[in-house]
Amino acid sequence: GAVVSQHPSRVICKSGTSVKIECRSLDFQATTMFWYRQFPKQSLMLMATSNEGSKATYEQGVEKDKFLINHASLTLSTLTVTSAHPEDSSFYICSASESGGAGDTQYFGPGTRLTVL
Amino acid sequence: SQKIEQNSEALNIQEGKTATLTCNYTNYSPAYLQWYRQDPGRGPVFLLLIRENEKEKRKERLKVTFDTTLKQSLFHITASQPADSATYLCALAGYSSASKIIFGSGTRLSIRP
Repeated sequence: GAVVSQHPSRVICKSGTSVKIECRSLDFQATTMFWYRQFPKQSLMLMATSNEGSKATYEQGVEKDKFLINHASLTLSTLTVTSAHPEDSSFYICSASESGGAGDTQYFGPGTRLTVL
Repeated sequence: SQKIEQNSEALNIQEGKTATLTCNYTNYSPAYLQWYRQDPGRGPVFLLLIRENEKEKRKERLKVTFDTTLKQSLFHITASQPADSATYLCALAGYSSASKIIFGSGTRLSIRP
């Protein structure tokens, strides 16, 4: 089946630093990738949708200058949390879809646990 | 605003019994409804998708129903096993290609031996 990887799986950083998270589709080409954030015992909240080669579309309330998304190829998207603060600590999950069309299955990565001290 | 509600309490089921999870939604007319499994500290894994014009879908021990009148989906696991213990997420998606998937907060299912 389709596999999506994320790196790193866990990161601890100091407040004010930037952290980059990679999301890769390993055995398929992902036209569309999605970035989610999940707080404990809560649902996944979509942060942004990225299409290869174009700017990401951010959800309302998500700061695009703080959460930089790059989807440079059909197999790689990166999320950079700039000037991270403790309130940014969360579980970040990416997903990838071959077409991003309605009903198209999204394959999720294993997630990245970010802890900002 | 759109809202998805799943069993708020954790569900504890005896091994071998059928587990039934509920997903109710309001202020939305989804084209698709999906169920995912999520293990602690892991990303969700897709299980089943059911379309608005489908009443029921099965996959091995899993069965999903979709009632657009009641705005409800039921997710059944028959002959449940301890390995089925996880959080199960309900998710809705609309028609357009730009449509987002909206997730419920999930129901934690525990199957005791």
